Amino acid sequence: GQNIDQPTEMTATEGAIVQINCTYQTSGFNGLFWYQQHAGEAPTFLSYNVLDGLEEKGRFSSFLSRSKGYSYLLLKELQMKDSASYLCAVRDRPRSTLTFGKGTMLLVSP
Amino acid sequence: GAVVSQHPSWVICKSGTSVKIECRSLDFQATTMFWYRQFPKQSLMLMATSNEGSKATYEQGVEKDKFLINHASLTLSTLTVTSAHPEDSSFYICSARYRDRDYEQYFGPGTRLTVT
Repeated sequence: GQNIDQPTEMTATEGAIVQINCTYQTSGFNGLFWYQQHAGEAPTFLSYNVLDGLEEKGRFSSFLSRSKGYSYLLLKELQMKDSASYLCAVRDRPRSTLTFGKGTMLLVSP
Repeated sequence: GAVVSQHPSWVICKSGTSVKIECRSLDFQATTMFWYRQFPKQSLMLMATSNEGSKATYEQGVEKDKFLINHASLTLSTLTVTSAHPEDSSFYICSARYRDRDYEQYFGPGTRLTVT
């Protein structure tokens, strides 16, 4: 079966850095995705990792360790608009769909 | 970027009626579309995978006769909730996979269904 764990909630201050962790146990692995979802809206794609290491894209970076079944999403220079749910998702084989974690609700305060 | 639309964005219907939700990829061809359901404060749960021109593949526990999926073209998939009940009230989201970039899935804005 598939199991994806991430913290339920996190809080941080505007301008700070926050790291959202995700651990997974899946029958196979063909990529890990991070999505951002604001309340009542659809998820938007943030990042994709298939090899170990860090992928940087502006204020957001995502890290993957396949041997540890672990990823994190790093958000720098937090802004109020970053308050949202962040979903970790894993694809277990090529061209299959994604299995989502329950999401981490991030609240950014002034 | 790739845009996926859904219609309607919200719908209220009476118990026992059927509701059709459309999902369109506006600027790309999507060979595969996915339908998800999301309950409040829960993650997205895959209901079915829809490939253009073939029957949808349903996840375990999803009634195929209740949730009818049609993927008639490379840009349109529909989900029909038949004989809706209050427990079907949820946020339904479709996702389309870009034909030439199969590692990315683009999500529609979702449809809020309320069954009274």
